[in-house]
Amino acid sequence: NAGVTQTPKFRILKIGQSMTLQCAQDMNHNYMYWYRQDPGMGLKLIYYSVGAGITDKGEVPNGYNVSRSTTEDFPLRLELAAPSQTSVYFCASSYSWDRTYEQYFGPGTRLTVT
Amino acid sequence: GDSVTQMEGPVTLSEEAFLTINCTYTATGYPSLFWYVQYPGEGLQLLLKATKADDKGSNKGFEATYRKETTSFHLEKGSVQVSDSAVYFCALNHQAGTALIFGKGTTLSVSS
Repeated sequence: NAGVTQTPKFRILKIGQSMTLQCAQDMNHNYMYWYRQDPGMGLKLIYYSVGAGITDKGEVPNGYNVSRSTTEDFPLRLELAAPSQTSVYFCASSYSWDRTYEQYFGPGTRLTVT
Repeated sequence: GDSVTQMEGPVTLSEEAFLTINCTYTATGYPSLFWYVQYPGEGLQLLLKATKADDKGSNKGFEATYRKETTSFHLEKGSVQVSDSAVYFCALNHQAGTALIFGKGTTLSVSS
């Protein structure tokens, strides 16, 4: 199993540009999540999905959009990039029936907006 | 709401020293508790977890015990190595499909 994969690893955007961060998992997890990590801070939830076709906002959703058309994929869309979106983005997934509530993380995408 | 507080770093140790990173939490009920580790330039990896009071999680020489009475989950290792240099995150969760609640992370630097 590859686990949770993310592309790209690094990206530099200009203000106002758009991009999609890709996330895929091959563990048949029904739950998926997007977090951002800012320097000196823990991770904060942007969006999450409990299954294909179902998404919901997390703590910091402004400026982002998501979709979940398949169990495996959960892309994160930035429509009009702003410097405040400079961060490291992590995708994660989990089983709904895992009562330990562990989440499995991808390697991250480091995004800089200038 | 739920929250996690962990000791601020950086923590700087010599190889073979004893490590403690403090973590306390505020939460209703009985959350699962986790330690994640982030090595330089990499993503988060689960280091250990505990799901009920008095459980001890352990992995790679690291240990942490779920203390309900003190709402704590301190990370310990008896003898650190240079390869343990990383950022360590304490986290909690008590429902599937919800956010892991993270502390701010503690940077550990081990020198030989």
